[in-house]
Amino acid sequence: GQQVMQIPQYQHVQEGEDFTTYCNSSTTLSNIQWYKQRPGGHPVFLIQLVKSGEVKKQKRLTFQFGEAKKNSSLHITATQTTDVGTYFCAGSSGTYKYIFGTGTRLKVLA
Amino acid sequence: GAVVSQHPSWVICKSGTSVKIECRSLDFQATTMFWYRQFPKQSLMLMATSNEGSKATYEQGVEKDKFLINHASLTLSTLTVTSAHPEDSSFYICSAADQGPSYEQYFGPGTRLTVT
Repeated sequence: GQQVMQIPQYQHVQEGEDFTTYCNSSTTLSNIQWYKQRPGGHPVFLIQLVKSGEVKKQKRLTFQFGEAKKNSSLHITATQTTDVGTYFCAGSSGTYKYIFGTGTRLKVLA
Repeated sequence: GAVVSQHPSWVICKSGTSVKIECRSLDFQATTMFWYRQFPKQSLMLMATSNEGSKATYEQGVEKDKFLINHASLTLSTLTVTSAHPEDSSFYICSAADQGPSYEQYFGPGTRLTVT
């Protein structure tokens, strides 16, 4: 079945450093979503990417969808302590169903 | 934004008993809700898709007779863990899907189930 992997699994950064997490699907995706889950919390929707090669920005966050629509990335510029949490990508192959990636846990050291 | 509630937030039950978890969309109608299971520090594993007025669609490997899902109205889906065993202990999260173009999922706060 469809698998969605993310790397790295964990990342510790100093506050102010940049951070990137990569998402790779075993199958071509129709669209991809990104979620953030704070420790002890539930996932919160960040963004959806639909088009091949699409790039979207939200303040310090930059999201990219690969040309082949099998991978995606999330880049955070100048991390802050509020960025702490686990970032999940979730891919859909065209149905309403999304398969979540393995997640990347980000720790930001002040 | 859309709000999804779950009840209870945590429950402890004895092995062999059944537990019902409720998922409600408070300010919008959700024809589709999803049930996930999350182990500590791991990803969300989709268990089933709950559709209002019809049978749930279960993911491969998820026992439909053990995890009973009912979506009786546009704002309520329930998950019943029947004859619970310690290995069913987990964090169960539901989500309700936005019917708009983003099909964004709004997640409930989750239910921590511990089976003793």
